[in-house]
Amino acid sequence: DAGVIQSPRHEVTEMGQEVTLRCKPISGHNSLFWYRQTMMRGLELLIYFNNNVPIDDSGMPEDRFSAKMPNASFSTLKIQPSEPRDSAVYFCASSLAGGNTEAFFGQGTRLTVV
Amino acid sequence: GENVEQHPSTLSVQEGDSAVIKCTYSDSASNYFPWYKQELGKGPQLIIDIRSNVGEKKDQRIAVTLNKTAKHFSLHITETQPEDSAVYFCAASINNDMRFGAGTRLTVKP
Repeated sequence: DAGVIQSPRHEVTEMGQEVTLRCKPISGHNSLFWYRQTMMRGLELLIYFNNNVPIDDSGMPEDRFSAKMPNASFSTLKIQPSEPRDSAVYFCASSLAGGNTEAFFGQGTRLTVV
Repeated sequence: GENVEQHPSTLSVQEGDSAVIKCTYSDSASNYFPWYKQELGKGPQLIIDIRSNVGEKKDQRIAVTLNKTAKHFSLHITETQPEDSAVYFCAASINNDMRFGAGTRLTVKP
């Protein structure tokens, strides 16, 4: 398996624009996580899914953020409208069975909002 | 929710010395404690993990200890090498909710 695949690797956008980050988890994994990494706040859990169902989205910072998982092989994280403070590296991770097994991380998407 | 604290934030050691990173957690129900290594430009990668029914685990130069009573766990790296230089994260997990520490930047000087 190629591992967790995220796209794009880098995204530069203007404030107010919509941004969509994409993730393909490892085949057969039942859980998917979205994290945000910044120097100030470290790795923050935004939302996680089990069997395509959102379980906990309490980490999503605002209503501007939304995440979907329409099927077992694809998830999106959308920011609309984007703001400069959303600039960060966004990681997607997947695991076989929730947070009590190894989470495999993608390479991340570096988002810059200018 | 779970709160994980990690110390130190930066650590510099001489090649061949040992490095120790410590973490504490708040929720006594947490039962899974992984450690991740993150190299520049990459996502975190698991290096070792321990479950709450085990007090210590070792894998070559890496070991992790867990004290459930005190709610703290530690990563020990012996005979450090320059390629060990990276950012290390501890995490604590309860059910499906995994929370990370702030990270430790380890530098191993040749």
